[in-house]
Amino acid sequence: DVKVTQSSRYLVKRTGEKVFLECVQDMDHENMFWYRQDPGLGLRLIYFSYDVKMKEKGDIPEGYSVSREKKERFSLILESASTNQTSMYLCASRPWTGRGYTFGSGTRLTVV
Amino acid sequence: SQQGEEDPQALSIQEGENATMNCSYKTSINNLQWYRQNSGRGLVHLILIRSNEREKHSGRLRVTLDTSKKSSSLLITASRAADTASYFCATDATQNTNAGKSTFGDGTTLTVKP
Repeated sequence: DVKVTQSSRYLVKRTGEKVFLECVQDMDHENMFWYRQDPGLGLRLIYFSYDVKMKEKGDIPEGYSVSREKKERFSLILESASTNQTSMYLCASRPWTGRGYTFGSGTRLTVV
Repeated sequence: SQQGEEDPQALSIQEGENATMNCSYKTSINNLQWYRQNSGRGLVHLILIRSNEREKHSGRLRVTLDTSKKSSSLLITASRAADTASYFCATDATQNTNAGKSTFGDGTTLTVKP
């Protein structure tokens, strides 16, 4: 079964910490995405990558950065965590258009 | 802003009834996708319908697409308590130069009562 694996289901971090969220896919997909999901705000795209070492900003990139050194791995970095970054973070991958996304199970991050 | 908008925002039905959710969008699309999300989990891809298709079936799911009205509907027949979830539509816009990036709607929350 094809998979997108997020390294943590739940995470609690302190304000100001540097936080790494890891995502790995085993489907050889070109595209990978990081979304955050908050009640009433739907899915908001943070960053996406269409190839190794390539990245593009989504709708809400401020306070985040990403890294894609290998095709299968896409990391989201919170440079200095803040309480307003408490959220559900969803990683996803897909091949080029014509097929749907495969999502990970999500990481619920709480910043205290 | 999200291109896809689901309607209704919330839907509550009895087990065995049919559930219909609608999605409207604004621009020309290549395809439209539907996803399910159980509480606290990631989204699961249900079905993708291309712009040249009008109807698609998968098990108890039936999706229609009307490109002239820029709308799609998801019908779940003979619903079960396990269908309780949020359902999202997503679109790949024709003019989207960022190939691979869909725009998601805000979702319909479906509750199926046993």
